[in-house]
Amino acid sequence: DIQMTQSPSSLSASVGDRVTITCRASQSISSYLNWYQQKPGKAPKLLIHAASSLQSGVPSRFRGSGSGTDFTLTISSLQPEDFATYYCQQSYSTPPYTFGQGTKLEIK
Amino acid sequence: QVQLQQWGAGLLKPSETLSLTCAVYGGSFSDYYWTWIRQPPGKGLEWIGEINDSGSTNYNPSLKSRVTISVDTSKNQFSLKLSSVTAADTAVFYCARGGATYYDNSAYYYFDYWGQGSLVAVSS
Repeated sequence: DIQMTQSPSSLSASVGDRVTITCRASQSISSYLNWYQQKPGKAPKLLIHAASSLQSGVPSRFRGSGSGTDFTLTISSLQPEDFATYYCQQSYSTPPYTFGQGTKLEIK
Repeated sequence: QVQLQQWGAGLLKPSETLSLTCAVYGGSFSDYYWTWIRQPPGKGLEWIGEINDSGSTNYNPSLKSRVTISVDTSKNQFSLKLSSVTAADTAVFYCARGGATYYDNSAYYYFDYWGQGSLVAVSS
């Protein structure tokens, strides 16, 4: 299976900050990388697909980049509603599709 | 507007079979893979498996011996059965739609609509 490793595991930031979360794949996955946001007690929400394509309705302050094995999710100016846990997920080749362990973004 | 609504038993004893169903409202039922994903309390997400409207399935090898996913196209529903459960199977289970976007003849696959989640606890 392809292993996905996120860093950091947790992050404290303030409203208005720019934050970056990193995801690394155990082998090249081209651009087959998605990002999700999950709030407590809720299902994950798709933010970014194909590494850099913003899902419809997602604010433009979310940006995804990268290809191959290294990817980043950047939030340009944190809003109060952005404090959540973020997961990357690869959809390269055949299943199983695997997720990173998550990055919890907390208010400083 | 696509909505997924899921239901099933929430408390099981070890060795029993978990059974969940997910109904899809709105949008097309064909042309997609329909997926189950689980999340143990306080932990990350694990893909369990998927099925399309033709009944073609893919399973996570780590669970394959215990998992069956089926589909009822007449009701736009799909179901999950997980046999011989243990406490390690305690989790929130989600159903989701597998969507795709096509760039340069490649399909980029993602989970774009999710059910509300069902907590399944296994305890003697």
